[in-house]
Amino acid sequence: KAGVTQTPRYLIKTRGQQVTLSCSPISGHRSVSWYQQTPGQGLQFLFEYFSETQRNKGNFPGRFSGRQFSNSRSEMNVSTLELGDSALYLCASSATGHPGELFFGEGSRLTVL
Amino acid sequence: KNEVEQSPQNLTAQEGEFITINCSYSVGISALHWLQQHPGGGIVSLFMLSSGKKKHGRLIATINIQEKHSSLHITASHPRDSAVYICAAQETSGSRLTFGEGTQLTVNP
Repeated sequence: KAGVTQTPRYLIKTRGQQVTLSCSPISGHRSVSWYQQTPGQGLQFLFEYFSETQRNKGNFPGRFSGRQFSNSRSEMNVSTLELGDSALYLCASSATGHPGELFFGEGSRLTVL
Repeated sequence: KNEVEQSPQNLTAQEGEFITINCSYSVGISALHWLQQHPGGGIVSLFMLSSGKKKHGRLIATINIQEKHSSLHITASHPRDSAVYICAAQETSGSRLTFGEGTQLTVNP
């Protein structure tokens, strides 16, 4: 069974640009959640999608958004990038998410210059 | 005060030692997760607990719901156990996770 796949693995952007990250969950998993990890703040919950609906959202500004497609693949978008958005962005999939064992991708490392 | 607190923040052990990492939380939870993160970023889920105790190989996780406390134990530690261990509380209201700051474990041969 293939694991959770995140693309791209590494990317560099400049302030003001936007970025889209992709997450393909384990086949059959309907829940995808996103997390931001920084040295200063640690791991923080961004949002969770289940069957194309956002079920939960963390305390992040509206520049952070996401969506989930009918095949459970998910994307997150960050607009008007700031230096502080430099982080490792992780997604995890779960069969149900409520609660459920989480399977993490390798992450997308974003650097904002 | 953070909603999820871990101790210790750093732990150095000799190969073979018994290791305990503690996690206290103040939120209501539906489950408590223990995660392992190796250098490079990849995270592996070790346990998901809602009560009692679970064991997988040399790893044991326990949770006391009344005291809002969980522990992760590693028996006969090995250098390959060196990693960051993170506990995360899953809220009763849904799927949102609140994370501890992590415990950096180094096991020396």
